[in-house]
Amino acid sequence: EAGVTQFPSHSVIEKGQTVTLRCDPISGHDNLYWYRRVMGKEIKFLLHFVKESKQDESGMPNNRFLAERTGGTYSTLKVQPAELEDSGVYFCASSQGPGQDQPQHFGDGTRLSIL
Amino acid sequence: GNSVTQMEGPVTLSEEAFLTINCTYTATGYPSLFWYVQYPGEGLQLLLKATKADDKGSNKGFEATYRKETTSFHLEKGSVQVSDSAVYFCALSDSSGGSYIPTFGRGTSLIVHP
Repeated sequence: EAGVTQFPSHSVIEKGQTVTLRCDPISGHDNLYWYRRVMGKEIKFLLHFVKESKQDESGMPNNRFLAERTGGTYSTLKVQPAELEDSGVYFCASSQGPGQDQPQHFGDGTRLSIL
Repeated sequence: GNSVTQMEGPVTLSEEAFLTINCTYTATGYPSLFWYVQYPGEGLQLLLKATKADDKGSNKGFEATYRKETTSFHLEKGSVQVSDSAVYFCALSDSSGGSYIPTFGRGTSLIVHP
């Protein structure tokens, strides 16, 4: 079974540019999550999809961030325009169900550096 | 709201040393507790979990006991190996607000020398 895959693994862009991150969840997993870890700090929740619907987007920092999951398969997270404080590692995770005991499977993350 | 506090790293040990990484939490409900591990260049993997007070989670020689009285979930291993070098994240999850989104700590880097 293929795991959660994220692309790209690294991205270096200049302030003001646009970047799109992609996440392919495990096949059959309806629940997809985005997280971000700024250097040395907590992993912060960004949003949660159930199939193509946004279940919870309370963690999205501002309207420069746009997440989509058309068709309920892969998801994209676009940052436009990027700012210096957006630098960090963006993780995607998926799970079969949303329950407390349902394990989330994480991708390797995308390391985003804004110059 | 929920929060997780982990000991600051990095923790540097020699091979076969005893490991403890402290974790305490604050939660409004009755959370499940987790330890995740991130090996270099990889994503997070669930290491172990405990779903109720006094439960002990264990995996790969690591253990952690859910202590409700001290709101703690400290990670221990009796004899670490070089291959255990990684970042360890303590996390909790409960149903507050109808969601089971986990709350993570800051992570503790473990470096094990031969």
